[in-house]
Amino acid sequence: ETGVTQTPRHLVMGMTNKKSLKCEQHLGHNAMYWYKQSAKKPLELMFVYNFKEQTENNSVPSRFSPECPNSSHLFLHLHTLQPEDSALYLCASSRYLSSYEQYFGPGTRLTVT
Amino acid sequence: GENVEQHPSTLSVQEGDSAVIKCTYSDSASNYFPWYKQELGKRPQLIIDIRSNVGEKKDQRIAVTLNKTAKHFSLHITETQPEDSAVYFCAASIGTEAGNKLTFGGGTRVLVKP
Repeated sequence: ETGVTQTPRHLVMGMTNKKSLKCEQHLGHNAMYWYKQSAKKPLELMFVYNFKEQTENNSVPSRFSPECPNSSHLFLHLHTLQPEDSALYLCASSRYLSSYEQYFGPGTRLTVT
Repeated sequence: GENVEQHPSTLSVQEGDSAVIKCTYSDSASNYFPWYKQELGKRPQLIIDIRSNVGEKKDQRIAVTLNKTAKHFSLHITETQPEDSAVYFCAASIGTEAGNKLTFGGGTRVLVKP
């Protein structure tokens, strides 16, 4: 499956590190999303982008900084994270912001030590 | 905002039996209800969805029912097979031109025993 790809697939970082997660979609979609999936908690929407413009920030701490340079690429820049930020970070895309179906990437498993 | 509750959190069934997962939602304006399946180590994938103008939808061994009055919807899997073992997530959203923000339930881990 190559529709939505994410790199790296696994990341271990210290609390003082700076790292970035990358998402790329090859579906020609215009809307992209970041979700956080923690153990025993529902999938949480973090950010939404539509045609490179951020349309939603779901009260996410500033230590998470998204970037969307074009409709195909989405980044999540991480700095001074906390251990409780350890989770699976999923990227998704949809054809339009109003489209129903969202296509997910495989996720990046992040561990903050 | 929308709140989605999902039960049970785990479900173990014998191969060939049926599995039922139930979700309730809080916002009566929600009009789109997808179900995602996430196998171990893999991405969530849409398996079936229903919109508020429909009460039931079926696709082979899976079906979804929606009761708008009671604000609940359910996933039914019949003749379960080992490959149905996964975590299933329900979600609800108010779909508008401005967006389709999904609120997910907590997930149900389904184990189908051979």
